[in-house]
Amino acid sequence: KQEVTQIPAALSVPEGENLVLNCSFTDSAIYNLQWFRQDPGKGLTSLLLIQSSQREQTSGRLNASLDKSSGRSTLYIAASQPGDSATYLCAVRGSGATNKLIFGTGTLLAVQP
Amino acid sequence: DTAVSQTPKYLVTQMGNDKSIKCEQNLGHDTMYWYKQDSKKFLKIMFSYNNKELIINETVPNRFSPKSPDKAHLNLHINSLELGDSAVYFCASKSSREQFFGPGTRLTVL
Repeated sequence: KQEVTQIPAALSVPEGENLVLNCSFTDSAIYNLQWFRQDPGKGLTSLLLIQSSQREQTSGRLNASLDKSSGRSTLYIAASQPGDSATYLCAVRGSGATNKLIFGTGTLLAVQP
Repeated sequence: DTAVSQTPKYLVTQMGNDKSIKCEQNLGHDTMYWYKQDSKKFLKIMFSYNNKELIINETVPNRFSPKSPDKAHLNLHINSLELGDSAVYFCASKSSREQFFGPGTRLTVL
């Protein structure tokens, strides 16, 4: 059974810092991994998607890496801004027939101005 | 131009009532989902439909009945609501690779 864990659970940094969010999963047989952002009281916004054959994806100040063999992904945020404050969720999609998305526990990020 | 929409956004009701949440996607996707996000913000899949057919049912109580009249809609009907049903319910749809979420429906059972 796939389990997805995110560390740390919460993170507070001053504006301008670079930071790394971690995601680990127990079953390396995944189809892809997706990072989402959730603002308070809002839905989920997809940030980056990494296929199982890829090592990383970049979008603006965000860079996500995937090491499937070790069951890890990181989300790197460069030059953090107060507007980056949100909960960041990692989710893996299995490679089996049902192909469902399993979510991590989330990291609550606060960027202090 | 909303991709995945849900109604209502908020739903407050008494224990024992029956309520429905509607979901529509205009992305042309074949697969749609319902997720439940509990008070600890953990997101868990409830149901998945592909082209109006149920393909995932994650041992959800049978008080919850999804209905897909066409592949653009997946509604969730809940009978005999209980206090523990209070949560945020998210609808989602999926392309060949990526998943898109609706804004959520916050259900409060009193």
